Amino acid sequence: DVVMTQTPPSLSVAIGQSVSISCKSSQSLVYSDGKTYLHWLLQSSGRSPKRLIYQVSNLDSGVPDRFSGTGSQKDFTLKISRVEAKDLGVYYCAQTTHFPYTFGAGTKLELK
Amino acid sequence: EVQLQQSGAELVKPGASVKLSCKTSGYTFSNYYMSWLKQMPGQNIEWIGNIYGGNGGTGYNQKFKGKATLTVDKSSSTAYMDLSSLTSEDSAVYFCARGPWFAYWGQGTLVTVSS
Repeated sequence: DVVMTQTPPSLSVAIGQSVSISCKSSQSLVYSDGKTYLHWLLQSSGRSPKRLIYQVSNLDSGVPDRFSGTGSQKDFTLKISRVEAKDLGVYYCAQTTHFPYTFGAGTKLELK
Repeated sequence: EVQLQQSGAELVKPGASVKLSCKTSGYTFSNYYMSWLKQMPGQNIEWIGNIYGGNGGTGYNQKFKGKATLTVDKSSSTAYMDLSSLTSEDSAVYFCARGPWFAYWGQGTLVTVSS
């Protein structure tokens, strides 16, 4: 199985700060069609996960452009600019290139 | 509006089976895959498998073969997951999530296995 390693496991931030979360995979996430199926999700406390970004860098509808995703092959980053209180929760990266689909262990974003 | 409404919490005895449902609306059920996922308290998310709404074709995580069985009822736009021979390790929240790539999620169903 593809292992997804997220760092850091937790982040303490002040409102208005910018943060980055790293996600590294044990195998390249480039599929045979040339596309990369790496996605980012946010799970706010007590709620279902919500997808924010798909295929590395595409923002889902309604997701503010304070969020951005970059990366390629095995190394990916989620950046959040000007953190707001509603951004708090656990961020997961997930890959759907290889079976079985796998998730990172999560990065908990909390207020400093 | 796409909606996935999951069935209510279950308390089941060890060794028993349980069937969870995920009733959908707001899109053409037959056109998309539905994934099922497991999240134990404070733990990572595990992908159990997926099923195509059009023909019921399935793909499973090897870890959950024999434990989970996925089915669909196109007439009611509902996806189901049967979990068998339950143990304490199966106590978790189970989510359904529509494709592509977990675009929409149900609210989750808490399954508690206890005598």
